[in-house]
Amino acid sequence: DTAVSQTPKYLVTQMGNDKSIKCEQNLGHDTMYWYKQDSKKFLKIMFSYNNKELIINETVPNRFSPKSPDKAHLNLHINSLELGDSAVYFCASSQLGLAGGETQYFGPGTRLLVL
Amino acid sequence: KQEVTQIPAALSVPEGENLVLNCSFTDSAIYNLQWFRQDPGKGLTSLLLIQSSQREQTSGRLNASLDKSSGRSTLYIAASQPGDSATYLCAVRIGGYQKVTFGIGTKLQVIP
Repeated sequence: DTAVSQTPKYLVTQMGNDKSIKCEQNLGHDTMYWYKQDSKKFLKIMFSYNNKELIINETVPNRFSPKSPDKAHLNLHINSLELGDSAVYFCASSQLGLAGGETQYFGPGTRLLVL
Repeated sequence: KQEVTQIPAALSVPEGENLVLNCSFTDSAIYNLQWFRQDPGKGLTSLLLIQSSQREQTSGRLNASLDKSSGRSTLYIAASQPGDSATYLCAVRIGGYQKVTFGIGTKLQVIP
């Protein structure tokens, strides 16, 4: 059973398009994250949701809008895609509130290429 | 602002050798520190998580230590194997609901 799943795995699209990436976790965790890994392999957090509420928003352009319909899902919608959005996007989840014991579990990543 | 540095950026060792990967962070008031491995084209796999109150964690051939006062963590891999070849990342959380800051990683190659 896949713990954290993302769809699609690959996404190739034209500049200016709007696209969505979906993430689901079946671990029963209450916190989910979106990370961006750029071409230099640097991994940086974008958003974090706890029980469907936004708790971290790391200076990400307004073109990126996360949506959490329930605590098992965190989707990422990107408007007006730009060349610089090309990267690998990782979803992750954890269970906060366990006195520092919150291991993060990552999805396989979505490789986005904007042409 | 928390900054996380990993040295070396790349490491190549013969199979069977013991090795140490280093992680340093600028703000010692951390909540926890986590070590991950990332295989090429794959997601991250959690290896060990050390809480701020702990000094080390062990799992099989892996041992991670934490020295908050000096802002350092090490990941010790015993008897390295070719299957250990991957990029190893450390990540520091500064608070329960605060963001996690990742290092750039150490790319390890274990030569048969």
